[in-house]
Amino acid sequence: DGGITQSPKYLFRKEGQNVTLSCEQNLNHDAMYWYRQDPGQGLRLIYYSQIVNDFQKGDIAEGYSVSREKKESFPLTVTSAQKNPTAFYLCASSKQAGTGPLYEQYFGPGTRLTVT
Amino acid sequence: AQSVTQLGSHVSVSEGALVLLRCNYSSSVPPYLFWYVQYPNQGLQLLLKYTTGATLVKGINGFEAEFKKSETSFHLTKPSSHMSDAAEYFCAVSETGNNRKLIWGLGTSLAVNP
Repeated sequence: DGGITQSPKYLFRKEGQNVTLSCEQNLNHDAMYWYRQDPGQGLRLIYYSQIVNDFQKGDIAEGYSVSREKKESFPLTVTSAQKNPTAFYLCASSKQAGTGPLYEQYFGPGTRLTVT
Repeated sequence: AQSVTQLGSHVSVSEGALVLLRCNYSSSVPPYLFWYVQYPNQGLQLLLKYTTGATLVKGINGFEAEFKKSETSFHLTKPSSHMSDAAEYFCAVSETGNNRKLIWGLGTSLAVNP
């Protein structure tokens, strides 16, 4: 089955530690996205990538970093510079060109990060 | 800049009653429009979308939405709610230009009372 996997489902870290969240897709989608979700604030875009080896900052990129070395993978690192990292993180992907549904985003199950 | 407004952060209905979740957008050109549903501690799932053609769009789980260009609206409805419809619902529109990101509403939490 095609889809997006995120691991782990729950992640606990101590303050001051960097942590990397995994996101893999086998949908052959060009674009991938990372969102942060907090209660009452909807989805806020952290970073997105439309093509391998290229990515752009979203609305709340400070304290986060990403890489896109393979089409299938888009890991997100939450650095110690992120002031309030505890949140639910969602990864998504979409088809940007060619035939079929464009721009419709498919989501992974999310990773809940708790930093204490 | 484009924006999406979902009126009502919380909506409560009785089981069997009509569900109406409102979404208005601001865009100078007809966008692609989406409704997603999110159950607790899960990712988002596409309910339905409007791209072109028929303005009344049917989705999964008995939901439908109508694109009204003159009102810049894309309200989500379901004639008869079920307990399993309790979830968070998000409206989104595609950004114009080359990026084609989605612009998201803040979501509406739907409660269904027995």
